Parts: sequence; structure tokens; C-alpha cells
Amino acid sequence: DAGVIQSPRHEVTEMGQEVTLRCKPISGHNSLFWYRQTMMRGLELLIYFNNNVPIDDSGMPEDRFSAKMPNASFSTLKIQPSEPRDSAVYFCASSRSSTPDTQYFGPGTRLTVL
Amino acid sequence: GQQLNQSPQSMFIQEGEDVSMNCTSSSIFNTWLWYKQDPGEGPVLLIALYKAGELTSNGRLTAQFGITRKDSFLNISASIPSDVGIYFCAGTDYNFNKFYFGSGTKLNVKP
Repeated sequence: DAGVIQSPRHEVTEMGQEVTLRCKPISGHNSLFWYRQTMMRGLELLIYFNNNVPIDDSGMPEDRFSAKMPNASFSTLKIQPSEPRDSAVYFCASSRSSTPDTQYFGPGTRLTVL
Repeated sequence: GQQLNQSPQSMFIQEGEDVSMNCTSSSIFNTWLWYKQDPGEGPVLLIALYKAGELTSNGRLTAQFGITRKDSFLNISASIPSDVGIYFCAGTDYNFNKFYFGSGTKLNVKP
């Protein structure tokens, strides 16, 4: 079975540009999570969805960040406008359960904002 | 707020040695999970624990859900070079059903 799929794997952009990260969860999983990982702050949960509905977005850093899940097989994380401090690896994870445990992670998107 | 304290931060060991790392929380947890992250990859689930006192093995890895429900440990026996990576504890707290990750233990194994 395919795991969590993320695209792109690497993104380099200039400050002020819009960035869209994409995620396809494992088929049959009904919870999806977006994380950001940096050396300074480790793994931070940004937002999670259950049955396509955002449940907890308290980790979203500011209004420049937005996430959508239009259907059970696709989610996006958008940053507009991007800033250099947004540079990080962004992970998507999915889980079969409605509670945030036993998550399976994608390979991540390494974002560099110049 | 909730904090997961994971220790040690890093370890340097010789191939063949056993390894132990642990995680403590400031509140009761419903689940404890252990992940391993290789460079350039996402964390991979190693072991999931759901009951206080539960002891679960996965090959050379053994993890336990502490009796107090506020801690967990992961042991690796007879370490090998491919055990190198960052190990994260994670879990869901009982009160708010929120999910937290520890800060990670970086394991280095010398052949």
C-alpha cells in the first residue's frame, strides 16, 4: 500500500511568494495532520483534520498560514506571503482513528524561503 | 502547558551495546508512541502502547507504558549501525486529547 504522499519534496522560493504544499493521506485514514520541524523548535503540530473537518488549528503560527482538506484524499497547506523564518521541513501524517494517535508520516517537504 | 521531557538528548554508544531512553509527561497520557526518524525522512512508528504497564516488543526494541501513565521508556538491545537516527516519544494526553511529541534522542552507534 502507498504511504502518505507529499509534494513537492523540496521547494525554494523568495520572500513574499505564495507557497502551497500538498498531501495525499493513506487511503482509509480519516485523520490528517500537518507538522513543521526545525532544529530550534523540533516537531510542531500545526493543524489536524478529522473527516475533512479542521479540529485543532491552535498550532498555526499566524494568518499567513492556511490549510484545507476538500476531500478525504487531499490536503493543502498554504503560506502567503512566505518569510525566511518559515524555512523548515513540513510533514503531513495520517491516522486511521479519530483521535490523534498512531500516525503515519509522509517524507516531508523541505521549504527554503530566501 | 503540557511538556514531554525526553532524555537523553543524545547518545554515543558502541555497536552491540544496549540503549535506554525515556520520556515523562506532566499529566496522564492515554497513549505512548515511539518513532524513529532517519535523515531526510519522516518519523516512522516503531511501537504503540495503550495501557498502563503494557510492555511491547518489536524485534530488538522494547517499550513500556509506565504504571503512573506519566512516563514511558524505549530499550534497544544489541545496537547495530542502522539504529542511528533520532528517536521521538509521543502521546495523547488524557484531559485534552491533544497529541505531543518529545524533543527527540539522537542516537549515534560506532561500529
